[in-house]
Amino acid sequence: KQEVTQIPAALSVPEGENLVLNCSFTDSAIYNLQWFRQDPGKGLTSLLLIQSSQREQTSGRLNASLDKSSGRSTLYIAASQPGDSATYLCAGTGANSKLTFGKGITLSVRP
Amino acid sequence: GAVVSQHPSRVICKSGTSVKIECRSLDFQATTMFWYRQFPKQSLMLMATSNEGSKATYEQGVEKDKFLINHASLTLSTLTVTSAHPEDSSFYICSASLHPDGYTFGSGTRLTVV
Repeated sequence: KQEVTQIPAALSVPEGENLVLNCSFTDSAIYNLQWFRQDPGKGLTSLLLIQSSQREQTSGRLNASLDKSSGRSTLYIAASQPGDSATYLCAGTGANSKLTFGKGITLSVRP
Repeated sequence: GAVVSQHPSRVICKSGTSVKIECRSLDFQATTMFWYRQFPKQSLMLMATSNEGSKATYEQGVEKDKFLINHASLTLSTLTVTSAHPEDSSFYICSASLHPDGYTFGSGTRLTVV
């Protein structure tokens, strides 16, 4: 059974800092890995999707990597801004097409 | 991009009543939709997989008679919480598969049962 772990649960950084959010998964047989952003009381916004054959994806200040052999994915945020404050969730899609989520990392970017 | 519209965003109901939550795919057809439940500071837990024109598949521990799912068209799936109780209070989110391009999610429904 796939398990997805995100540590730490919360992170606070000053504005402008580059940061890395970590995600680990136990089953390397994932179809793809997706990073989401969730604002308080809101749904999920997809940030980046990495297919199993890919190593990384980039969108603006965001870069996500995937290393299936080590069971890890990272989300890199460059030049963080207060507007980046949110909870970031990673989720892996298994062969059964179901998403398994981590508990998320709540990021606070201080002005 | 592909958008899933979820309504209502918030609902308060009395204990014992039923509540229906709708999810519509606005610019694409969603053969498969998923319903999740999220407790405070917890991850999303899959409740059931909704397939257009057939019965939903429920995850272990989810009462199918309690959480009725209907997916009668390629653009609409509904979740009805029947005979709601305070312990059903939670955040419910639907999603649709955009295979092979991942998933898109609705904006969620905050259900409070009083």
